[in-house]
Amino acid sequence: GDQVEQSPSALSLHEGTSSALRCNFTTTTRSVQWFRQNSRGSLINLFYLASGTKENGRLKSAFDSKELYSTLHIRDAQLEDSGTYFCAANSAGNKLTFGIGTRVLVRP
Amino acid sequence: GALVYQYPRRTICKSGTSMRMECQAVGFQATSVAWYRQSPQKTFELIALSTVNSAIKYEQNFTQEKFPISHPNLSFSSMTVLNAYLEDRGLYLCGAREAGDAEQFFGPGTRLTVL
Repeated sequence: GDQVEQSPSALSLHEGTSSALRCNFTTTTRSVQWFRQNSRGSLINLFYLASGTKENGRLKSAFDSKELYSTLHIRDAQLEDSGTYFCAANSAGNKLTFGIGTRVLVRP
Repeated sequence: GALVYQYPRRTICKSGTSMRMECQAVGFQATSVAWYRQSPQKTFELIALSTVNSAIKYEQNFTQEKFPISHPNLSFSSMTVLNAYLEDRGLYLCGAREAGDAEQFFGPGTRLTVL
């Protein structure tokens, strides 16, 4: 089965509102990365976590290695936050396994 | 900072022909390089993981005969798509990291179109 279960698959937000994305892992995960893929296909690194939480501007991420999940919170969403967000789990064999992605659309 | 370059950014090839794509890491040592493919409307499939001075490990459904990879030093890797067909189209991404579980950085990808 899928090692990384990402939800939701799509998210529509009004400017200024907040929401969260989540990834559940079905196997032991040593670290997690979050990316945003822009319209040209490039993956932009947002977070790398081995545990705990990190914050960067209006984005905040948490990783619970015992409960096997990670979250990405978007606060005060802006139009430029639109894009597809991916989580990726670093697990056995140093492989990075990606979730299916969350298409985020921020509306005025 | 850590940067990964890929070229070409886009390429079109005729069905049955081959094309080579390259990946360059700048600002860090790319001990480990992973090649992924993102097919239309799909997530990222790992093709193979290459670690300098170790054998390249291919994932199920991907073979060295179809996707030969070179990783000769700590800054460069290349992959060729041999005998490309329609199902090989997509965005090919190179991800590089310094150590096994360190943060992985990606290039902008090579978008392959097969006619």
